[in-house]
Amino acid sequence: NAGVMQNPRHLVRRRGQEARLRCSPMKGHSHVYWYRQLPEEGLKFMVYLQKENIIDESGMPKERFSAEFPKEGPSILRIQQVVRGDSAAYFCASSPDGTANYGYTFGSGTRLTVV
Amino acid sequence: EDKVVQSPLSLVVHEGDTVTLNCSYEVTNFRSLLWYKQEKKAPTFLFMLTSSGIEKKSGRLSSILDKKELFSILNITATQTGDSAVYLCAIAGAGSYQLTFGKGTKLSVIP
Repeated sequence: NAGVMQNPRHLVRRRGQEARLRCSPMKGHSHVYWYRQLPEEGLKFMVYLQKENIIDESGMPKERFSAEFPKEGPSILRIQQVVRGDSAAYFCASSPDGTANYGYTFGSGTRLTVV
Repeated sequence: EDKVVQSPLSLVVHEGDTVTLNCSYEVTNFRSLLWYKQEKKAPTFLFMLTSSGIEKKSGRLSSILDKKELFSILNITATQTGDSAVYLCAIAGAGSYQLTFGKGTKLSVIP
């Protein structure tokens, strides 16, 4: 079992460019969660997706951020027109059901740096 | 709103010392409290606690939960340099898909 796979591990973007972060959940998991970790901060929930559905995006900034989890392929977190404040570590996690009752398995994260 | 507060925020100890990390929380419909270890990559799961007073143990690490006083502690005995990491505490509300994390305790173990 390969676990939760995220790529790229590191991503550098100039201000105004787009960033695309990918996450493949663990085999058999159809529930995906994205969290963001700003420097010196804890992980903050962004969005919860199932295949082809956004269940809860209450933690997503209202503009420039979007997420999808298509029927085929990985989940994508997209950040348009990046700004320096978007620099953070973005973690994806997956679970076999729609709860965090027993915790999740996290991927290794994508560290986004905006220059 | 659920809330998790960890203390201290950072800690420097010498190899062989014993450390205690604290986590207090506020949550509606508590389900579980989780501890993770984070080095320069993914948070890795350490313990899940659901019942008061029952110690979970794994090698030199142990943890216990007090649901009446709403806190948990993580103990590490005979610390090693490999224990240097950020230790994260998180809570899960019943039926909820969100984990609420504290800011973490950064532990540095020096030889």
